[in-house]
Amino acid sequence: QLQLQESGPGLVKPSETLSLTCTVSGGSISSSSYYWGWIRQPPGKGLEWIGSIYYSGSTYYNPSLKSRVTISVDTSKNQFSLKLSSVTAADTAVYYCARHGEQLASIDYWGQGTLVTVSS
Amino acid sequence: DIQMTQSPSSLSASVGDRVTITCQASQDISNYLNWYQQKPGKAPKLLIYDASNLETGVPSRFSGSGSGTDFTFTISSLQPEDIATYYCQQYDNLPITFGPGTKVDIK
Repeated sequence: QLQLQESGPGLVKPSETLSLTCTVSGGSISSSSYYWGWIRQPPGKGLEWIGSIYYSGSTYYNPSLKSRVTISVDTSKNQFSLKLSSVTAADTAVYYCARHGEQLASIDYWGQGTLVTVSS
Repeated sequence: DIQMTQSPSSLSASVGDRVTITCQASQDISNYLNWYQQKPGKAPKLLIYDASNLETGVPSRFSGSGSGTDFTFTISSLQPEDIATYYCQQYDNLPITFGPGTKVDIK
């Protein structure tokens, strides 16, 4: 059974960089059929796609965040990561890592999510 | 960006009722539309993919239909465990976008 687990600091100061890692178990991140992504959800609000990556390193970002986002993959560790720079309180959210099907289609596996709070 | 709207934003229904949620895209997205269920404190769960295909293991009381710009999600007989927020999501064009959600409660 595929599992995804987010890890990283739960508290980040304003203007600093948010860094999260997603560890994939029960399957290979190098599978040619899937993409790996990050989605966030501010408290009490809806879902926002941040961006996704293919195991080869090809990335796709939400234009609204593109200038601040970097997503990378480490196939040797079966992990992918998110960096979001210059954070503000508006970046406070539950961050989910997830797996997409082909062509960035349906998101069929999700991590449990991790709350990141931006505060001094 | 493709804007997704959902209606209603919330609803209350009795156990056994038929529940219908609509989702509208701001432009033609063919059938590139998925539906998710999110329970409080949990990650979303894929229920319907490509507008009308039931994800493996999902009860058959859930169904979806539509194409182009107008889509419908139906629970044929509402159960207590269906209390959740339901989101539509398009993947026809990047960025991937979600609807604002419909919160379903038991009356």
